[in-house]
Amino acid sequence: TQLLEQSPQFLSIQEGENLTVYCNSSSVFSSLQWYRQEPGEGPVLLVTVVTGGEVKKLKRLTFQFGDARKDSSLHITAAQPGDTGLYLCAGDTGNQFYFGTGTSLTVIP
Amino acid sequence: DAGVTQSPTHLIKTRGQQVTLRCSPISGHKSVSWYQQVLGQGPQFIFQYYEKEERGRGNFPDRFSARQFPNYSSELNVNALLLGDSALYLCASSRSRDWVIASPLHFGNGTRLTVT
Repeated sequence: TQLLEQSPQFLSIQEGENLTVYCNSSSVFSSLQWYRQEPGEGPVLLVTVVTGGEVKKLKRLTFQFGDARKDSSLHITAAQPGDTGLYLCAGDTGNQFYFGTGTSLTVIP
Repeated sequence: DAGVTQSPTHLIKTRGQQVTLRCSPISGHKSVSWYQQVLGQGPQFIFQYYEKEERGRGNFPDRFSARQFPNYSSELNVNALLLGDSALYLCASSRSRDWVIASPLHFGNGTRLTVT
């Protein structure tokens, strides 16, 4: 059982489209991170959010932490083929670190 | 500086055997954590070590054990291998004992373990 559920599990879109990935839990997290993982490599950190309601932007990526610190979303504007990969959310409860179930994104040129 | 390095990159073992995976953290990082990633799923936390002491343990059986050495490198041992242990094993290092708020995790590229 994974503490963090991501949706959708798979996403295939055309270059230039927008998308949103959701990360949901019934637990409260001290912080939440988003990673991108490419085949054969370890996850690479994109962002850390700490405060409930916090919004962070990284170029075309917008991350939001829910007010209750139980959920998060990742929005990508004008997706590019280079955005293709496995997107993982991960939360810190203070004594353990949990990854989400993952969202596999494919951006078609 | 070199990133987190893991060895070996690939490994094939038979059911019932034992395996040892190795991880060298980024220089200056004192915390090492281990994760199991089954194909198509997110990583599952196994252990965290800081200053050679176990600081956290996930829901894995006692067949899984780990240790951290004075130079902060770490080994993950798995005994009595099962087919279900086939996975990518990831190691991550960070400067601090505290989870992510104090310092981010840096991951290695993992060891792909196949149990036949």
